Amino acid sequence: TQLLEQSPQFLSIQEGENLTVYCNSSSVFSSLQWYRQEPGEGPVLLVTVVTGGEVKKLKRLTFQFGDARKDSSLHITAAQPGDTGLYLCAGAPSGGSNYKLTFGKGTLLTVNP
Amino acid sequence: GAGVSQSPRYKVAKRGQDVALRCDPISGHVSLFWYQQALGQGPEFLTYFQNEAQLDKSGLPSDRFFAERPEGSVSTLKIQRTQQEDSAVYLCASTPGGVPKRGGYTFGSGTRLTVV
Repeated sequence: TQLLEQSPQFLSIQEGENLTVYCNSSSVFSSLQWYRQEPGEGPVLLVTVVTGGEVKKLKRLTFQFGDARKDSSLHITAAQPGDTGLYLCAGAPSGGSNYKLTFGKGTLLTVNP
Repeated sequence: GAGVSQSPRYKVAKRGQDVALRCDPISGHVSLFWYQQALGQGPEFLTYFQNEAQLDKSGLPSDRFFAERPEGSVSTLKIQRTQQEDSAVYLCASTPGGVPKRGGYTFGSGTRLTVV
């Protein structure tokens, strides 16, 4: 069973601060996805990273996939209250079952005005 | 439709009752997935359909859980003799075909099941 450990589990910061969320595993993934989930809603895809060492930027969000494709990070610059939500990482295994995503437990981010 | 639609949004069931949860995927999407999200946890895989074929049901917790997609569009997740540990949000997701290399799932808003 592939496991994804996300840290921190909870994060409460002030508007304008920077933050990093980590997603770690002992398993290699063919790709890793980051989702954001708001209360009462399903997760919404933010980005997919595929290549080891890949860095993708989405406005103030920077995503990185580890060289060995076992870990990933999400960095938010100058956080805003609208960034508040549950951030989930999800890994797709290599091989025939790549549809079967393994999710981390999530990081609940609160950005205070 | 424009997105994945799930109904009902909320369901309260008495222990032992049977429930049926419905998922309407995005029109034309071949692949459909069910995930279970317990409180404070990430979603966990339950089952996968490609058209009407259930290709993987390895995540279904017990034989009380049954899913079908008879015409390759709408899917129903049925839970028989519900128990308290079945309380969770049940998420449905669809994709045009499999999991796109650079894409992800489009999830519905989920059905929150509470067993009392």
